[in-house]
Amino acid sequence: NAGVTQTPKFQVLKTGQSMTLQCAQDMNHNSMYWYRQDPGMGLRLIYYSASEGTTDKGEVPNGYNVSRLNKREFSLRLESAAPSQTSVYFCASTPRLAGGTQYFGPGTRLLVL
Amino acid sequence: QKEVEQDPGPLSVPEGAIVSLNCTYSNSAFQYFMWYRQYSRKGPELLMYTYSSGNKEDGRFTAQVDKSSKYISLFIRDSQPSDSATYLCAMYTTSGTYKYIFGTGTRLKVLA
Repeated sequence: NAGVTQTPKFQVLKTGQSMTLQCAQDMNHNSMYWYRQDPGMGLRLIYYSASEGTTDKGEVPNGYNVSRLNKREFSLRLESAAPSQTSVYFCASTPRLAGGTQYFGPGTRLLVL
Repeated sequence: QKEVEQDPGPLSVPEGAIVSLNCTYSNSAFQYFMWYRQYSRKGPELLMYTYSSGNKEDGRFTAQVDKSSKYISLFIRDSQPSDSATYLCAMYTTSGTYKYIFGTGTRLKVLA
C-alpha cells in the first residue's frame, strides 16, 4: 500500500517549457488536491477534484491545468513554465471532499530557470 | 488578515523539554483541526486530528482546541531530536464552501 505517489521527484525547466506532474493514490479516495508550498506562504491550493470527472480551481490556479484521469490519478500541467512557478508541489487525497484528513505525497521540487 | 496565523519560528529547545506550538484563526466555521509534521524535503504527515473543542492525547503529543478563543495548540512532552521538523496546523469546515486551510508552519529544533 504505497499511499500517494508523485513523479518526478525533481525537475528543472527553462522558462516557456511545459511539463506534467503525475500523482496517483491507491487508497480508493474520491477527492484529490494539488498544492504548492513556498517559504513563508504555507501550502496553497492550486486545483482540486471532488470526485472522478470533476475539477475545480483553488486559491492559485493561474498558469496550471489539471486532469482527473480516473479515480486513482490526478495530473497537474504547466503549459508555459515561469520562474514564479518554482516551488515544491504536493498532491494529496481524502476519502471525500472536506471529509477526513489529507494524505500527502512526497512532493515534486520544480525549478524554473 | 490571514485566516490562520502561525509563528514561523525557528523554535530551539533542549532535549526533554515540553514544546508548545500554536495557531490562531479567524473563521468560526472551522470544525476540524489537524496538526501535521513535515520533515525536510518530505511531504506533511498527519500527527493529530480533532473535532470541535477539547483535548486529545496520543503518546507524547496533546492537541488542544479552544473554539471560543479561536486558538489551537500542540504540546510535545519529553521532546526528542527526532521531533525536529516543521509543524503545520490545518483546519476545515464541512459547511458552506469547501475549504482546507493551512498555517505557514513552525520550525522546531530539538537539541541533543
